[in-house]
Amino acid sequence: DIQMTQSPSSLSASVGDRVTITCRASQRINNYLNWYQQKAGTAPKLLIYAASSLQSGVPSRFSGSGSGTDFTLTISSLQVEDFATYYCQQSYNTLTFGGGTRVEIK
Amino acid sequence: QITLKESGLTLVKPTQTLTLTCTFSGFSLTTNGVGVGWFRQPPGKALEWLALIYWDAETRYSPSLKSRLSITKDTSKNQVVLTMTDMDPVDTATYYCAHRGSKTVMDDWFDPWGQGTPVIVSS
Repeated sequence: DIQMTQSPSSLSASVGDRVTITCRASQRINNYLNWYQQKAGTAPKLLIYAASSLQSGVPSRFSGSGSGTDFTLTISSLQVEDFATYYCQQSYNTLTFGGGTRVEIK
Repeated sequence: QITLKESGLTLVKPTQTLTLTCTFSGFSLTTNGVGVGWFRQPPGKALEWLALIYWDAETRYSPSLKSRLSITKDTSKNQVVLTMTDMDPVDTATYYCAHRGSKTVMDDWFDPWGQGTPVIVSS
């Protein structure tokens, strides 16, 4: 299986901050990388697919980049509603998720 | 609007077989490219993919759980059923089904997801 490593595992940030989350694959996955947001007690929500494509209805402050093994999710200006846990997921072969990054209020 | 909802027993005993049903609306599992996946999330832990069934009945399973899983579809009822045999307390988790959004090969991303159903394995 391809291992997905997210960093950091948690972070504290303030409203308005620029936040960057990294996801590293244990082997090349081209751009088969997706990002999800999960708020406590709710189902995951797709934010970004194919590494950099913004899902319909997702605010433009979210963006994704990367290819190969290293990927980044960026929130350009953190809003109150963005405090959640974020997961990356690869689909190059057997689907696997990263361990998650919890974004907390500073 | 696409919606999915999971249903099944909340409490199962060790060694029993778990059967979960995903009932969906807003799409057809006969449409080219469409699929439904199953996932789980133990309390406080990360998401884990379990199984996926495509419009053409092709199935894929998590290698670590493949011997215990079966995924089937009933297109007339708009349902996908997941069975997991030989349940153990470590299988305690919230189980989700989700719509495969991509229409291209290998691009397996999922949106939307069902609300999830909790499963507790305990004697």
